[in-house]
Amino acid sequence: SQQGEEDPQALSIQEGENATMNCSYKTSINNLQWYRQNSGRGLVHLILIRSNEREKHSGRLRVTLDTSKKSSSLLITASRAADTASYFCATDVGTGNQFYFGTGTSLTVIP
Amino acid sequence: DAGVIQSPRHEVTEMGQEVTLRCKPISGHDYLFWYRQTMMRGLELLIYFNNNVPIDDSGMPEDRFSAKMPNASFSTLKIQPSEPRDSAVYFCASSSYRGSGYTFGSGTRLTVV
Repeated sequence: SQQGEEDPQALSIQEGENATMNCSYKTSINNLQWYRQNSGRGLVHLILIRSNEREKHSGRLRVTLDTSKKSSSLLITASRAADTASYFCATDVGTGNQFYFGTGTSLTVIP
Repeated sequence: DAGVIQSPRHEVTEMGQEVTLRCKPISGHDYLFWYRQTMMRGLELLIYFNNNVPIDDSGMPEDRFSAKMPNASFSTLKIQPSEPRDSAVYFCASSSYRGSGYTFGSGTRLTVV
């Protein structure tokens, strides 16, 4: 079953602008990850944030986590046309190692 | 490393036929996952293995689906008999330890006609 839900479902911005995507989830988590999927390709891991962390950075990516609100956000700064893709959050629950993926945000960056 | 390798990339089969999807995880990764992606249901976790042992197969939709991991470098997902509603992209992923990021394969696009 899906644990997370991304918002918005679709986002279209101009190159150079910032893109923000949100993820809400239902139950307490150990870790939260963000992935990118280009059309027709597999998912690529972007960043992992643990439940005791509030913010992480990786290059132009910034992820925040608010466990009290059961939500996370992914910010892509200075977007490029190559950032056009679908972005998914994934959360793990319980004692296993399985991650459940959200519904995804489709990002289009217009050159 | 060549990453997670899945075969075939595309599979078209007739309803009722047996389908076998294959996956080679990254060497040294202890976890292997099978996911299915459709427009309607998104990404669904079907089953995952730890050190070649199936840990959670609660996502396997029906008895028609079975998965094996005979050794650390190979896994199969079998559908027998296949049905049109099984049409989807099937992804294999592996990870090195609990809580680490996954590396996904390129997927197998299955079409059952």
